[in-house]
Amino acid sequence: QSALTQPPSASGSPGQSVTISCTGTSSDVGGYNYVSWYRQHPGKAPKLMIYEVNKRPSGVPDRFSGSKSGNTASLTVSGLQAEDEADYHCSSYAGSNNWVFGGGTKLTVL
Amino acid sequence: QEQLVESGGGVVQPGRSLRLSCAASGFTFSSYGMHWVRQAPGKGLEWVAVIWFDGSYRYYADSVKGRFTISRDNSKNTLYLQMNGLRVEDTAVYYCARVINYAYEYWGQGTLVTVSS
Repeated sequence: QSALTQPPSASGSPGQSVTISCTGTSSDVGGYNYVSWYRQHPGKAPKLMIYEVNKRPSGVPDRFSGSKSGNTASLTVSGLQAEDEADYHCSSYAGSNNWVFGGGTKLTVL
Repeated sequence: QEQLVESGGGVVQPGRSLRLSCAASGFTFSSYGMHWVRQAPGKGLEWVAVIWFDGSYRYYADSVKGRFTISRDNSKNTLYLQMNGLRVEDTAVYYCARVINYAYEYWGQGTLVTVSS
């Protein structure tokens, strides 16, 4: 049950795009299309932004998109806005009724 | 409107026990699998445990296996986490979450557990 690897920080200016990576193994990210992404503002609960690699829940703007290649998943935030400044966490199903998260990425909007 | 409300957190000494509760409302609680996820101060999220919609199956992270027990009472729309043999490293905010398609769709606001002597 090793954690997925995310960069500790990322940044971009308003209106720009930023991509956050999430690297696992063939036993989790690479083995299942069950990668999800969460946005968490300070002191708040996480919010689901992407599920099943690239699907958006109702109400999540299409500025948020997800993808996967091999053992690495990615979250792209386009048209950065001030409200996007937050921590972003990835998660993957890891088989045998186990789930695993990444260490989180702090996104700063410059 | 779906809502999850955790309670039961607090300060406890190492080796002691604590039981967390998660009250669900606004949806058919008995139809969904439920998870506990925790977040140590300043750290990332960590999956803790899952229980099937009917309580028939339960699975745990290696870090809590044998010490924590997840359970539910569908008649009370409530999820529980019994934590025994608490360690300093169990200090975290504990969230309950409803899962759909292997993703955490709804989260509670969290309850803080501090293990300290």
